[in-house]
Amino acid sequence: KAGVTQTPRYLIKTRGQQVTLSCSPISGHRSVSWYQQTPGQGLQFLFEYFSETQRNKGNFPGRFSGRQFSNSRSEMNVSTLELGDSALYLCASSLGGALDSPLHFGNGTRLTVT
Amino acid sequence: AQTVTQSQPEMSVQEAETVTLSCTYDTSESDYYLFWYKQPPSRQMILVIRQEAYKQQNATENRFSVNFQKAAKSFSLKISDSQLGDAAMYFCAYINTGNQFYFGTGTSLTVIP
Repeated sequence: KAGVTQTPRYLIKTRGQQVTLSCSPISGHRSVSWYQQTPGQGLQFLFEYFSETQRNKGNFPGRFSGRQFSNSRSEMNVSTLELGDSALYLCASSLGGALDSPLHFGNGTRLTVT
Repeated sequence: AQTVTQSQPEMSVQEAETVTLSCTYDTSESDYYLFWYKQPPSRQMILVIRQEAYKQQNATENRFSVNFQKAAKSFSLKISDSQLGDAAMYFCAYINTGNQFYFGTGTSLTVIP
């Protein structure tokens, strides 16, 4: 089985721009969750989607949004980028959510905001 | 609010020896799950071990085992017979029944040959 695929691997954007990150889950997985990883804050939960519905959301501003398509692929969008948004963004998929099945993480997208 | 604390930013262990990584958490819930994830330099997070809070028996996975103390809200990871491939950042994580995930800040483990 192919693993979780995140594209692109690296992104460089300037302040004020917006960015879209993509995550393709493992085939058959219906839950996709997103995380922000920074040296200062560690790993923080952004949101989780299950069957195209946002099931849970972390404590991030509305500039961070996401969606999930009928094939379970998910996108995350960050608008009006700030320098502090520079981070590694990880997505993870699971069959039904982390309570029911293990999370499988992608390799992440490294976003640099200048 | 739930928090997860890993008080050891860095740890080192001699190859073939045993090391214990600490994790404490704060919650008012009785039903939750705890995890240890490993993130090697390749960046991909890998599940090491999982513990359901309602289970009193400590989880084990080959050389990895946990010491789960529910009353003390402690969830430490013991790695036996450490190998060079165990070198990585280790994250302790908590998830509640609402599917909200909380991670610790990580412990960087170095394995000395």
